[in-house]
Amino acid sequence: KQEVTQIPAALSVPEGENLVLNCSFTDSAIYNLQWFRQDPGKGLTSLLLIQSSQREQTSGRLNASLDKSSGRSTLYIAASQPGDSATYLCAVRDEGGSEKLVFGKGTKLTVNP
Amino acid sequence: SAVISQKPSRDICQRGTSLTIQCQVDSQVTMMFWYRQQPGQSLTLIATANQGSEATYESGFVIDKFPISRPNLTFSTLTVSNMSPEDSSIYLCSARRGRGYGYTFGSGTRLTVV
Repeated sequence: KQEVTQIPAALSVPEGENLVLNCSFTDSAIYNLQWFRQDPGKGLTSLLLIQSSQREQTSGRLNASLDKSSGRSTLYIAASQPGDSATYLCAVRDEGGSEKLVFGKGTKLTVNP
Repeated sequence: SAVISQKPSRDICQRGTSLTIQCQVDSQVTMMFWYRQQPGQSLTLIATANQGSEATYESGFVIDKFPISRPNLTFSTLTVSNMSPEDSSIYLCSARRGRGYGYTFGSGTRLTVV
C-alpha cells in the first residue's frame, strides 16, 4: 500500500529565503507525481506534474525533482514571498492503471515579511 | 488545464439530512473524481465518477452513503446522505482531461454537520 510522507509538517521562513520541501513515497512503482498548493479553506492548485520518466520540472520560481528509485521528490522555492504562504501537498499516482492519487498530509509554509 | 466550479462552497447542515454537491467542468474530461479531506488528514479518494454508469467506490466508501451521478462529460454530483458530525470535512471534485495530463481540483465544499 502506497504511503506518502511530507517533511517538515510546518516551516516558517523570512521573505527572500530559498527553501526545500520534501516528499517521500514507499512504493517506487509510480506513474507520476504532482505538487499542489492549498490555501486555507480552499481547493487545490496544481503546481507541477512530473512523469515517472522525468527527473525534474520547473515553473517560474518553483522546481520539483523526482528520484523514483529512492522514493523521493523535492519542491524547491526560490526567493520566497509572503504570497507563497500556503500548504503544499505532494501526491503520487501508482502504476497499474489506477487513477487514485495518494496524498501526503502536506507542509504548511509561512513566509514572514 | 480544465477549470472546475464547485458549489456550494460551504454549508452547515443538521444531523440526519443530506447535501448534494455539484461539480461543473468547463470542458469535456475523461475522468472525474470525488475526494474528502477530514480535519488534519490527507485527501482521500471517495470514488471515480463514471459517465453513464455507476461510480467506482474506494474501500470504506459505499454508494448508499455517497451516491454519485455523472450524466455527461462535464458535470457530476456527490450526495452526502444521512449526515453525522463525522462527515464534517472538505469535499473536493477533481478531473483529468486525458492520458498524460495532471489532475485539476475544484475549490472545495466545506461541510459542517451539527
